[in-house]
Order: sequence, then structure tokens, then C-alpha cells
Amino acid sequence: SQKIEQNSEALNIQEGKTATLTCNYTNYSPAYLQWYRQDPGRGPVFLLLIRENEKEKRKERLKVTFDTTLKQSLFHITASQPADSATYLCALISGGYQKVTFGIGTKLQVIP
Amino acid sequence: GAGVSQSPSNKVTEKGKDVELRCDPISGHTALYWYRQRLGQGLEFLIYFQGNSAPDKSGLPSDRFSAERTGESVSTLTIQRTQQEDSAVYLCASSLGGGFENTIYFGEGSWLTVV
Repeated sequence: SQKIEQNSEALNIQEGKTATLTCNYTNYSPAYLQWYRQDPGRGPVFLLLIRENEKEKRKERLKVTFDTTLKQSLFHITASQPADSATYLCALISGGYQKVTFGIGTKLQVIP
Repeated sequence: GAGVSQSPSNKVTEKGKDVELRCDPISGHTALYWYRQRLGQGLEFLIYFQGNSAPDKSGLPSDRFSAERTGESVSTLTIQRTQQEDSAVYLCASSLGGGFENTIYFGEGSWLTVV
């Protein structure tokens, strides 16, 4: 069956360091992969989209990679700040329309 | 409106009662999604509407759950004979269309507690 795996354990990181979150998937052939941020009690907010034929995408301090051979995406936040503390969700989009399936998310805590 | 609007924001209901949750998508967005998120869990797909196409209901967990959408506007998610396991936040989202690259915008959710 199709599965999206994100590290369900929280990731604690020192302010200023680079945070790296992992999203692995099985039995999918996604055309696109997205990353979202979710704060407690709020709806998810879209951050970045990467296509299957793109290896890397950047936006300010964020970088996403997409390896369709390894079936993995990495999400990096450079120069992390306490305000980056949140849960980060990866989402896969496949099929003939935009059906979006989410991973469980990884909680990031940036320690001052 | 400026964003996806959901109501009520909080609902406490007794087991066995029916509830209706409402979603107002962003104006002009033809695609609309409902997700469920239990406490500490991931987003669980429920249903997807795209324009006038037949909705994808593959995520509805039981026949107690149903959803309607009027044209390309308001959607209502109805849960009949609620059970305690239905307690969760129900998130609605919309996007411009069914294309892969359209950003999905979420509402703040309707928090449902069944007692």
C-alpha cells in the first residue's frame, strides 16, 4: 500500500544551525511533492513545491530536494530561528488530478 | 473572502447527534478538500470536489459521513450519529483548480468534540 513516512519524533536543534527533515515514500509515483508548515491549533500553510524532474528548489532559507530513485525528499532550514519551531508536513500529489496525501509531520523545535 | 473560512470553529456535541460543518473557500477556487486531523496525528483525506466533476469520496470513513458542495462555493460536511472517535479537527482547503501546481490554502479548522 502507499505510504509516506516522516520522522514522528521531534527534532531539536540549536538556533543558527541547519535543520534537515526527511520524507520517504513507498508505492507512489508522485508528480509533485509539497512541504507545509503547521503551527499548533492552525491549518497547514504551503511552503514549497518541487516537481519530479527537479532535484532541488530553494526559497529564502528553505531548500528542498527530491530524489525519485531513493523515493525521498529532504527539507532544510538554514540559519534556523526559534520562530521556525512548528510541525512540517510533506505531501505527495499524483494521479490525474490534485489529490494530495500528507505525511504525519515532523515537529521541529529550535532552541535559542 | 481573504482566506478559507470555516464554521463553527469549535463544536461540542453529544454522542449520537448529527453535526454540520461549513466551509467557505476562497472566491474563484474550483477545488475544495476536506481533511480530518485527530490529536497528534496526520491529515486524513476525506473528500475532494473539483468543479462540476463527481467528487472523490474515497476517504470518507463510513456512511455516517457525507459532504455537499453548491457549485463552486460553500461546502458542508455532515456527520450523522456522531461517535467519540469522530472527535478531531476538520480542515477544509481550496485551490484555484485541479492542476498539480496550484497552491492549497487551508482554513483554521472546525474542532469537534463528541462527549
